[in-house]
Amino acid sequence: GAVVSQHPSRVICKSGTSVKIECRSLDFQATTMFWYRQFPKQSLMLMATSNEGSKATYEQGVEKDKFLINHASLTLSTLTVTSAHPEDSSFYICSARDLLYGYTFGSGTRLTVV
Amino acid sequence: TQLLEQSPQFLSIQEGENLTVYCNSSSVFSSLQWYRQEPGEGPVLLVTVVTGGEVKKLKRLTFQFGDARKDSSLHITAAQPGDTGLYLCAGARRNAGNMLTFGGGTRLMVKP
Repeated sequence: GAVVSQHPSRVICKSGTSVKIECRSLDFQATTMFWYRQFPKQSLMLMATSNEGSKATYEQGVEKDKFLINHASLTLSTLTVTSAHPEDSSFYICSARDLLYGYTFGSGTRLTVV
Repeated sequence: TQLLEQSPQFLSIQEGENLTVYCNSSSVFSSLQWYRQEPGEGPVLLVTVVTGGEVKKLKRLTFQFGDARKDSSLHITAAQPGDTGLYLCAGARRNAGNMLTFGGGTRLMVKP
């Protein structure tokens, strides 16, 4: 089946620094990838839709200048959390949509801002 | 209110018991997926249902899509401790570009 690799799985950063999270589709091309945020014991909340070769589409309430998304190729989307603050600490998950297998999710990134 | 209402939010049962998780909406979905998520991991797809009235079985798990494609249920027979986890339903709507919308999740704990 389709595999999505997300890296890193865990990251701890200092307040004010930026963190980049990568999402790769390993055996298929994905023109569209999705970024979710998940708070403890809650469901996934869609943050933005990443479109290859064009600007990302952000959900209402998500700051596009804080959560920079780049989808430069058909197999890679990146999410950069800029000037991170403790309230940005969360579990971030990406997914990609494949015509055959539907949505496949990465294993998530646990971000802790100290 | 969420587009997809999932219930119950939490469920703690003994090994061997049966349970049902519900996912309800007033919207029609082109497809509905059920996922299981372990702590610190991404969701893993269990099943996709696309046809109204469809029933799919995966070992002890039975999934049903409502006739009107607005609701779905997941029934687990003889639950085992290995079934413990977060169960998520997610629906795709054609008029929303078939993007997934998640229910609030059901946290299941099966005690030995």
